[in-house]
Amino acid sequence: ELKVEQNPLFLSMQEGKNYTIYCNYSTTSDRLYWYRQDPGKSLESLFVLLSNGAVKQEGRLMASLDTKARLSTLHITAAVHDLSATYFCAVVLIYVNQFYFGTGTSLTVIP
Amino acid sequence: EAGVVQSPRYKIIEKKQPVAFWCNPISGHNTLYWYRQNLGQGPELLIRYENEEAVDDSQLPKDRFSAERLKGVDSTLKIQPAELGDSAVYLCASSTLGQGPLNTEAFFGQGTRLTVV
Repeated sequence: ELKVEQNPLFLSMQEGKNYTIYCNYSTTSDRLYWYRQDPGKSLESLFVLLSNGAVKQEGRLMASLDTKARLSTLHITAAVHDLSATYFCAVVLIYVNQFYFGTGTSLTVIP
Repeated sequence: EAGVVQSPRYKIIEKKQPVAFWCNPISGHNTLYWYRQNLGQGPELLIRYENEEAVDDSQLPKDRFSAERLKGVDSTLKIQPAELGDSAVYLCASSTLGQGPLNTEAFFGQGTRLTVV
């Protein structure tokens, strides 16, 4: 059974600081996704990472993928309050059209 | 283009009552998912359809949950009878995974928040 673990589960950080969220998964996958969820809202796709060493950046968020280590990171640079949300990574198994979600990281950015 | 549409947005029912959720996926998406999301947790797959075929329902509690996707488009998820532990957000998602480029993603509806009292 595929397991997807994120850490930390909860993150409180001050505006302007940097931090990294980690996503580990237990079996070989050919793609990894990062989603954002605001309270009471649905999931919004942020990044799709398809290959080892892939790096994607959008604003203050940067995601990377190391398929050998089965690890993805979501790095937050100079956090702002608008980034407060829950972030999920999701892994898709090779040849299976199915998304497996991590436990989520609840991020709160404090002014 | 319209996204994934779910209804109702909220539902409060008494335990042992039946309830049904409806999902209209994005046009052309052959894969449809129903997920359950408990408070503070990630979505957990209940059932996955490819066109009208349920290809993975291993996590669906079949004694009380049922789903259908007639004509490979809209889908309904039903619980009968509902239990207190069924309170959660039920999310529907659709994708073209397997149909197109590798970077395709799953698009989620707004979800139905079910409260069983």
